Amino acid sequence: KAGVTQTPRYLIKTRGQQVTLSCSPISGHRSVSWYQQTPGQGLQFLFEYFSETQRNKGNFPGRFSGRQFSNSRSEMNVSTLELGDSALYLCASSPGTGGSGYTFGSGTRLTVV
Amino acid sequence: DQQVKQNSPSLSVQEGRISILNCDYTNSMFDYFLWYKKYPAEGPTFLISISSIKDKNEDGRFTVFLNKSAKHLSLHIVPSQPGDSAVYFCAASALYQGGSEKLVFGKGTKLTVNP
Repeated sequence: KAGVTQTPRYLIKTRGQQVTLSCSPISGHRSVSWYQQTPGQGLQFLFEYFSETQRNKGNFPGRFSGRQFSNSRSEMNVSTLELGDSALYLCASSPGTGGSGYTFGSGTRLTVV
Repeated sequence: DQQVKQNSPSLSVQEGRISILNCDYTNSMFDYFLWYKKYPAEGPTFLISISSIKDKNEDGRFTVFLNKSAKHLSLHIVPSQPGDSAVYFCAASALYQGGSEKLVFGKGTKLTVNP
């Protein structure tokens, strides 16, 4: 079966702009989580969506937001980009029923200049 | 406050020998522990997991040991192969109200297996 698909793979944006990243989960998976990976902080949890509702949220400012559609696809938006937002953004899908059956996508590499 | 710690940023072993990667955690509420392997510019790939009610789980060359009293887990790779060279992340999962989970990751250990 197809894996988790993230688009685009690479993105360059200017400070102050906004960006939208997309994630298509594994078919049948209802939970989508987003993580930010930076060299200094490692992998950090942003938020989780399940059945179009945000179920959990990490410690990120309100500039980071997301949503999930009825087909479980999810988007993540970052507004007013800062240089420190440069990172690899990873999406993970799971059935959402516990047991940590997470599968990660290949990520979107965002560079803010 | 770092709830999951991997104290060794790097580890180098010879092909055929055992690789042991260690991880410590502080939160007693974690109920699943996982190991992921990651190459640069790619997402983490799941390797093996263990429930908090077990102390060992084995899958081929990979074995994870959990010591709940010490809040410590380790990943053993035997025998190590050059293709195992990657960054290994330890992660812990806690179940929240409503069925939500989130993974808390360590900062990773870069394993190099020398031929």
